[in-house]
Amino acid sequence: DQQVKQNSPSLSVQEGRISILNCDYTNSMFDYFLWYKKYPAEGPTFLISISSIKDKNEDGRFTVFLNKSAKHLSLHIVPSQPGDSAVYFCAASGAGNQFYFGTGTSLTVIP
Amino acid sequence: DARVTQTPRHKVTEMGQEVTMRCQPILGHNTVFWYRQTMMQGLELLAYFRNRAPLDDSGMPKDRFSAEMPDATLATLKIQPSEPRDSAVYFCASGTWSDRETQYFGPGTRLLVL
Repeated sequence: DQQVKQNSPSLSVQEGRISILNCDYTNSMFDYFLWYKKYPAEGPTFLISISSIKDKNEDGRFTVFLNKSAKHLSLHIVPSQPGDSAVYFCAASGAGNQFYFGTGTSLTVIP
Repeated sequence: DARVTQTPRHKVTEMGQEVTMRCQPILGHNTVFWYRQTMMQGLELLAYFRNRAPLDDSGMPKDRFSAEMPDATLATLKIQPSEPRDSAVYFCASGTWSDRETQYFGPGTRLLVL
């Protein structure tokens, strides 16, 4: 059973606009959340994370928002650039170092 | 530039054959993870090790999959016998137990079982 869900398999956005990628989780014991970015033929690379003690974390053009009551997190990319086109995975972790990943959202940024 | 390496990058085999995938974690990392990427399940955790000891391999089909770390520089994932449903991309990742921040992924092994 998927404990981390990304319900949108794909997303297309115009260059310069905001990209919003969503992720839902079911386990209330998760306290650490991450986003990974994956280009074709490469492994995922870490993008940004957030601890459950925060509701927002920002790093340049990337911001992750966490809504614990809704068990929902989102990744905002502003402004979107063509180089951001990739598959984005969200992941969640509770006690220990085991991460549970979603199925990914393929983002296409149109020039 | 430290990175996780995986071999082979691609593997095509016939059903029933043994498949061995290898991973060299980043030097100094003490946790190693094996994931399988499929369209339906995304990234599934198959097994992970801390200081070479298996901590969790509940994600693996036990009857055909096995994961080992013969030493700190090598992790292996073996499938015997392989089946067409095993076709996927298998990723190895390494990290440090004290740092929950990131896992560093290898480029993956793309497996096709005919």
